[in-house]
Amino acid sequence: DTGVSQNPRHKITKRGQNVTFRCDPISEHNRLYWYRQTLGQGPEFLTYFQNEAQLEKSRLLSDRFSAERPKGSFSTLEIQRTEQGDSAMYLCASSLGEGRSSGNTIYFGEGSWLTVV
Amino acid sequence: QKEVEQDPGPLSVPEGAIVSLNCTYSNSAFQYFMWYRQYSRKGPELLMYTYSSGNKEDGRFTAQVDKSSKYISLFIRDSQPSDSATYLCAMSQGGKLIFGQGTELSVKP
Repeated sequence: DTGVSQNPRHKITKRGQNVTFRCDPISEHNRLYWYRQTLGQGPEFLTYFQNEAQLEKSRLLSDRFSAERPKGSFSTLEIQRTEQGDSAMYLCASSLGEGRSSGNTIYFGEGSWLTVV
Repeated sequence: QKEVEQDPGPLSVPEGAIVSLNCTYSNSAFQYFMWYRQYSRKGPELLMYTYSSGNKEDGRFTAQVDKSSKYISLFIRDSQPSDSATYLCAMSQGGKLIFGQGTELSVKP
């Protein structure tokens, strides 16, 4: 499978614990995005990388959230001191270039479900 | 007011019906418009892509964009039970996507 890969697919954690999600984009895709989706809502943009540089962060990304993309390959999204409101599906996506034209489709992974109890 | 508004449904239709899904938006700078399909507990997958105003057809699916009205539509002809999913409209801004809430569609056999 050469699509966007996310791990773990499901995570249940106690409030206050730290969690980390990993995303492996499609090979050679230089843009990598993180989105959050709650039940009944569309995905909400969190942040994106161009290679290893983090170019934009949403206001949704509080100080407890940090994302990295070392060497411009895989990416991690860490949530510190989790809260019940963090329960959601975290989606990773990648594209070749800016993702604006038909040749630069943004492809999504299957998502990582987080439940904070 | 959200930048992209989409009726969440749910929408239930009989097999073979024509389905119309719609979104409105407020930012006139949007130029790239997409429709994604999302099955339960899966990631979104791109269905249709349109640049600026006009129509685009792909099999049973037709996407329409009316920039003057800030309104986009997705039509599904001869709907099938396998079309049952959530349909998300999305618009590109600075390379990232702004999504609507999603419309849950159920096609009954």
